[in-house]
Amino acid sequence: KAGVTQTPRYLIKTRGQQVTLSCSPISGHRSVSWYQQTPGQGLQFLFEYFSETQRNKGNFPGRFSGRQFSNSRSEMNVSTLELGDSALYLCASSLAGGASSYNEQFFGPGTRLTVL
Amino acid sequence: AQKVTQAQTEISVVEKEDVTLDCVYETRDTTYYLFWYKQPPSGELVFLIRRNSFDEQNEISGRYSWNFQKSTSSFNFTITASQVVDSAVYFCALSEMNRYDKIIFGKGTRLHILP
Repeated sequence: KAGVTQTPRYLIKTRGQQVTLSCSPISGHRSVSWYQQTPGQGLQFLFEYFSETQRNKGNFPGRFSGRQFSNSRSEMNVSTLELGDSALYLCASSLAGGASSYNEQFFGPGTRLTVL
Repeated sequence: AQKVTQAQTEISVVEKEDVTLDCVYETRDTTYYLFWYKQPPSGELVFLIRRNSFDEQNEISGRYSWNFQKSTSSFNFTITASQVVDSAVYFCALSEMNRYDKIIFGKGTRLHILP
């Protein structure tokens, strides 16, 4: 069974640009969560999607947005990039997540974004 | 507010030594989950264990063991007879019982196992 895949694995952008990251969950998983990992702030929850709807959102500015498609694949978009957005962006999928019975989250390898 | 503290930012031990990674958490919830994840150099987070707040039994899995003490809000992780392959960053994390999609992570402990 294929794991969570994220594309691209590495990305270099300049300040002011926008970027889109993609996450394909494990087949059958309907919940996708996004996390940002930086040396200073550590791992922080960005948002979670389930059945194409954003269910939860972390404490990030509106420049960070996402969406989920009918096949559960998810994209994350960051507009007007800032130097501080340089980070490893991790995506995790689970069967259902949220208030249902426990479903383990499986993480992808991440996309490393560098903003110059 | 929920918070996870891993006071040890970096630890180095010689192979075959035992090592304990500390984790202290804060939450107002009476029901919650605690987790440990391993992040090797490849970057992918690997799930190690989940423990719910109702179950304070210690757990052992091979060379790994976990000590959960609600009285001190701690969930410590011990690796016995460490191996070089154990070198990684280890994260302790917390989530509400019904909110597994939103996990609060500690800052991590970078563990170096020296040959």
